[in-house]
Amino acid sequence: SQTIHQWPATLVQPVGSPLSLECTVEGTSNPNLYWYRQAAGRGLQLLFYSVGIGQISSEVPQNLSASRPQDRQFILSSKKLLLSDSGFYLCAWRTTGEKLFFGSGTQLSVL
Amino acid sequence: DQQVKQNSPSLSVQEGRISILNCDYTNSMFDYFLWYKKYPAEGPTFLISISSIKDKNEDGRFTVFLNKSAKHLSLHIVPSQPGDSAVYFCAASPNSGNTPLVFGKGTRLSVIA
Repeated sequence: SQTIHQWPATLVQPVGSPLSLECTVEGTSNPNLYWYRQAAGRGLQLLFYSVGIGQISSEVPQNLSASRPQDRQFILSSKKLLLSDSGFYLCAWRTTGEKLFFGSGTQLSVL
Repeated sequence: DQQVKQNSPSLSVQEGRISILNCDYTNSMFDYFLWYKKYPAEGPTFLISISSIKDKNEDGRFTVFLNKSAKHLSLHIVPSQPGDSAVYFCAASPNSGNTPLVFGKGTRLSVIA
């Protein structure tokens, strides 16, 4: 069966520090991969998605970036975090036309 | 421009009664619709979906209704239980291709015992 792993579960980082969140999927090949963010009291905002290795589509201009170095690995990064980057980050995967499966999320607090 | 709208940010229902959560969409290309349930500090979990070739899909206590002409769908939970208290997200996409799901902003359901 397919599983998705996302870590860490919580993260507290100072403003200006770098960020790296990692997500891996098991039990499937060539999934579409996604990074979403839920800011406090708000909905699910799509940040990035990838349909294949090295292919990244950005939905929102910001100081975050994403990379897909392997088929089932998706990384969210920042060189310098802002206060506004605080939120609940979710990795997700799906195969074309099917439902989306989410990871357990990372609560990021930028102080 | 919000393509998927959940106009009620919150809803309170008594245990045992029916919960009705509503969702409207604007993109006529959408033909696959899903509902997700989210507890605090957890990832959303899939609840139920419906394709545009249907107008109703039922799974236990959960039923989703789709009105394509009105571009409206609703999720009915009956009977509502305290464990149903969560944020519910409506999502939509074209059924083919790699277009990401578009989510509404969510409705927080509180089921009161």
